[in-house]
Amino acid sequence: AQTVTQSQPEMSVQEAETVTLSCTYDTSESNYYLFWYKQPPSRQMILVIRQEAYKQQNATENRFSVNFQKAAKSFSLKISDSQLGDTAMYFCAFMKIYNQGGKLIFGQGTELSVKP
Amino acid sequence: EPEVTQTPSHQVTQMGQEVILRCVPISNHLYFYWYRQILGQKVEFLVSFYNNEISEKSEIFDDQFSVERPDGSNFTLKIRSTKLEDSAMYFCASRLRGDHYNEQFFGPGTRLTVL
Repeated sequence: AQTVTQSQPEMSVQEAETVTLSCTYDTSESNYYLFWYKQPPSRQMILVIRQEAYKQQNATENRFSVNFQKAAKSFSLKISDSQLGDTAMYFCAFMKIYNQGGKLIFGQGTELSVKP
Repeated sequence: EPEVTQTPSHQVTQMGQEVILRCVPISNHLYFYWYRQILGQKVEFLVSFYNNEISEKSEIFDDQFSVERPDGSNFTLKIRSTKLEDSAMYFCASRLRGDHYNEQFFGPGTRLTVL
């Protein structure tokens, strides 16, 4: 069975600075997807970024980038130039690539506070 | 932009009562999901649904739970006899197809409170 672990329950960062959220996972699969979802106070789940495990290049979406270390089973999220609107709960998630069901397995979440 | 909608936004019920949570997935999507998030905890997968049948379910999804797509647009989650521990946020999600990665789009959630 796959597991996803986020070891940082809470983090804070000053506006305009950079913060990195950690995520590790455990799987015997060789092909899979990894995601970071953002959950603001409204509780809506919003996809931030995704990474295909077969791609060596780290994914980037504007201020958001990942550091994907497949051998170490590590998938961290870096937020550059943090903004107040980045304040939210962030969830790391795993999905098997050839899974027609397509369920997401989430970590426990990291609550990020961006301070002015 | 198409979005997943859920009703009601908040449902309060007495223990032992039946509840039906409703979702309208994005219209051309083929895969549907229910997830649960107990307050302060992680989001947990409940069930996936494709071609009018359950494709996968978790241990949480016991005989008290059922899903259906009664009219080709709505996707419902029924809890037959609610328990206190069913109090949670329930999220519906939909995905276009399963042959390649497609993003799961989440609805805004229904907060279920069981008294």
